[in-house]
Amino acid sequence: EAQVTQNPRYLITVTGKKLTVTCSQNMNHEYMSWYRQDPGLGLRQIYYSMNVEVTDKGDVPEGYKVSRKEKRNFPLILESPSPNQTSLYFCASSGTGDYNEQFFGPGTRLTVL
Amino acid sequence: AQRVTQPEKLLSVFKGAPVELKCNYSYSGSPELFWYVQYSRQRLQLLLRHISRESIKGFTADLNKGETSFHLKKPFAQEEDSAMYYCALSRAGSYQLTFGKGTKLSVIP
Repeated sequence: EAQVTQNPRYLITVTGKKLTVTCSQNMNHEYMSWYRQDPGLGLRQIYYSMNVEVTDKGDVPEGYKVSRKEKRNFPLILESPSPNQTSLYFCASSGTGDYNEQFFGPGTRLTVL
Repeated sequence: AQRVTQPEKLLSVFKGAPVELKCNYSYSGSPELFWYVQYSRQRLQLLLRHISRESIKGFTADLNKGETSFHLKKPFAQEEDSAMYYCALSRAGSYQLTFGKGTKLSVIP
């Protein structure tokens, strides 16, 4: 089944403890992206990647890192999480010739205490 | 810079009533417009895109370049339409999507 997976789905952590949220897609998509979803603010892009080893900042990149060593994986790294990073995170991917339809993962709910 | 505006945070309608979710955009070039939907506890999924001119689950949306709008419409709302709806825009040929803040549609039985 073609899909985007994220792990973990739920995470409660404490300020300053490094964490990684994984994202994987099995559709051979070139483009991958991370968003955060907050009430009243909608979806805001954190980082995106056009292909392996090509990443770029989105609208709200501060406090986040990403890497794209393999085409299928695009992990989101929070080196020193803070409470304002408490949010619902979505990974998405898209391939060529698909009119830019983005396929979303199930979301990761992160709480930083 | 491109921008997508969804003026209503919440829209409540009765079952069987018409629905219109508003979306306005600002972009100087030729945009591609989309509607994404997020049902409760589910992932976002594409509902429809202007380029394909299709009707999905009874919803339609027409791109009005003069008014820079892409409103989502359905003649008769159903309870299962209750969800969060996001309008999104991309430049032609680009993967980048700019989302609006979303409208929560609540269909009252």
